[in-house]
Amino acid sequence: DAKTTQPPSMDCAEGRAANLPCNHSTISGNEYVYWYRQIHSQGPQYIIHGLKNNETNEMASLIITEDRKSSTLILPHATLRDTAVYYCIVSSTGTASKLTFGTGTRLQVTL
Amino acid sequence: DTEVTQTPKHLVMGMTNKKSLKCEQHMGHRAMYWYKQKAKKPPELMFVYSYEKLSINESVPSRFSPECPNSSLLNLHLHALQPEDSALYLCASSHPGGGQETQYFGPGTRLLVL
Repeated sequence: DAKTTQPPSMDCAEGRAANLPCNHSTISGNEYVYWYRQIHSQGPQYIIHGLKNNETNEMASLIITEDRKSSTLILPHATLRDTAVYYCIVSSTGTASKLTFGTGTRLQVTL
Repeated sequence: DTEVTQTPKHLVMGMTNKKSLKCEQHMGHRAMYWYKQKAKKPPELMFVYSYEKLSINESVPSRFSPECPNSSLLNLHLHALQPEDSALYLCASSHPGGGQETQYFGPGTRLLVL
């Protein structure tokens, strides 16, 4: 599986956009980029995923560079409830996917 | 409905005990997973079941024994655990195939081995 690199921590003011970067320079052509988050002591929560194109859902937007070597998760209006560890994961494909979690980015949203 | 349930929420056991963790999903998913998460660390994959067959075992010690009795249920049988096995045990499920198998996680079972 391709490895990902994320900053260990970030701060964001409530109401502002949170932009979380991720590098995945060794990603292969058929691997997807997934984002999950984990709020303290809970199970990881799926946010969004993409292959090449930018994606948006009710939670977030995912911007993937044209060379696919990096991506950015955007939370458009961060709230205190978005404080969590955010994991960027590149998935292997197959009969069942294998998620290899990196250390993630701890996002702290403040008033 | 994207709910995966896990029981119990908390478990305390001695090193000589035998216990089981249970995971259930009713989303029609045919792949189920066990992860282990130590404090302040990311989740680590333990086992993957695909269509009720064990497809991945990440070199997990034999004191952890998974079982998938049917497509909705996944158990993890525990025997002769060590204190270092204390962790949050997470279950997940997905619909396998196509390269974009989003996994949905349960809330986890927090295990303490004394």
